[in-house]
Amino acid sequence: GAGVSQSPSNKVTEKGKDVELRCDPISGHTALYWYRQRLGQGLEFLIYFQGNSAPDKSGLPSDRFSAERTGESVSTLTIQRTQQEDSAVYLCASSSTSGAHYEQYFGPGTRLTVT
Amino acid sequence: AQSVTQPDIHITVSEGASLELRCNYSYGATPYLFWYVQSPGQGLQLLLKYFSGDTLVQGIKGFEAEFKRSQSSFNLRKPSVHWSDAAEYFCAVGDNYGGSQGNLIFGKGTKLSVKP
Repeated sequence: GAGVSQSPSNKVTEKGKDVELRCDPISGHTALYWYRQRLGQGLEFLIYFQGNSAPDKSGLPSDRFSAERTGESVSTLTIQRTQQEDSAVYLCASSSTSGAHYEQYFGPGTRLTVT
Repeated sequence: AQSVTQPDIHITVSEGASLELRCNYSYGATPYLFWYVQSPGQGLQLLLKYFSGDTLVQGIKGFEAEFKRSQSSFNLRKPSVHWSDAAEYFCAVGDNYGGSQGNLIFGKGTKLSVKP
């Protein structure tokens, strides 16, 4: 079946612009996670959804970052007034439900470059 | 705070040689441990995981890992490396502490290069 998809695959934007990154999870997966991978770094957890609820937003780096999810499907990560330090690969993962013992399936990521 | 340390940033091995990638974790409860591989231009793929039981776990592509609670380690091994194993490897602990959210805490990764 289809895996996790993300769009766009690459995004170049000017500093100060807003961007939207999209994630389509595996059908039926109720949990969805967003991570950020900066060059040479591991993955940094940003936010997760169980259904369309985001119980913990503490991983978001600043109030310029927000995310929403429609039901148990697509999620959008929005970065307002982008800064150069926002340049990274943004990865989305989904799992059948939330919990550390459920396997997360990752999408290919969106590479964001802020010039 | 929970954390994962991968001490080796870059390792080079010859094809056919054995491999061990190190991973140490700091976690307040029983850890759920994972190894992921990221090939160039690809997403992350799960190699193996440990939740409980037998401390030696087998994964895909001939990889195995051993959980050692006394050393807070979960090292990844392969007896004979193939050129296609060249990739970046990430160790992660599943954060179930205090709730059920289950996000992963990753190490910074070890890049594996394979010499012919």
